[in-house]
Amino acid sequence: DAGITQSPRHKVTETGTPVTLRCHQTENHRYMYWYRQDPGHGLRLIHYSYGVKDTDKGEVSDGYSVSRSKTEDFLLTLESATSSQTSVYFCAIRTGGDYGYTFGSGTRLTVV
Amino acid sequence: TQLLEQSPQFLSIQEGENLTVYCNSSSVFSSLQWYRQEPGEGPVLLVTVVTGGEVKKLKRLTFQFGDARKDSSLHITAAQPGDTGLYLCAGDKQDFGNEKLTFGTGTRLTIIP
Repeated sequence: DAGITQSPRHKVTETGTPVTLRCHQTENHRYMYWYRQDPGHGLRLIHYSYGVKDTDKGEVSDGYSVSRSKTEDFLLTLESATSSQTSVYFCAIRTGGDYGYTFGSGTRLTVV
Repeated sequence: TQLLEQSPQFLSIQEGENLTVYCNSSSVFSSLQWYRQEPGEGPVLLVTVVTGGEVKKLKRLTFQFGDARKDSSLHITAAQPGDTGLYLCAGDKQDFGNEKLTFGTGTRLTIIP
């Protein structure tokens, strides 16, 4: 099984503060993704990475930035959190072939 | 714009009944994946279908990919309480050589004992 961990699992933060979520994989997978999940919207892609320092935007990237300085770590940053960014955030890695994507357990972020 | 539409959104049936969940799109995908998600966890891959018309079976679950690779269905026979969960279809597309997965809105299934 591909090892993927997200931290923190839960976070409450105030509007206007910066927040960084971390995704760590223990294998050498090239592709990593950040999604957010909201009721009625399913999972929507925020940003993804196809290699170290190689990232691109997804469909809901406004207000978010990412960084990937090492293969194993993919960071998602909310520069100035807003209430509309209250959501559950999932990181995923593409494990290839029929193995599809492996997801982390998610980070529940509440912006108050 | 939601590229993948799932129906129904919610489904509640008695144990032992059969059901079908649909995933439809106007786009063509290189592959279509089905995931199940439990509360508090990330989605877990059930199956990947790649070839138009392909049918895959996973015990009581049967997955079909449309001939044109735009739609898919998930059929569950003799549903069990353990089948309860959120079912998500996801289409895989290449975007300038990079792979991206687009998810449907999901079907929340409840099996009543």
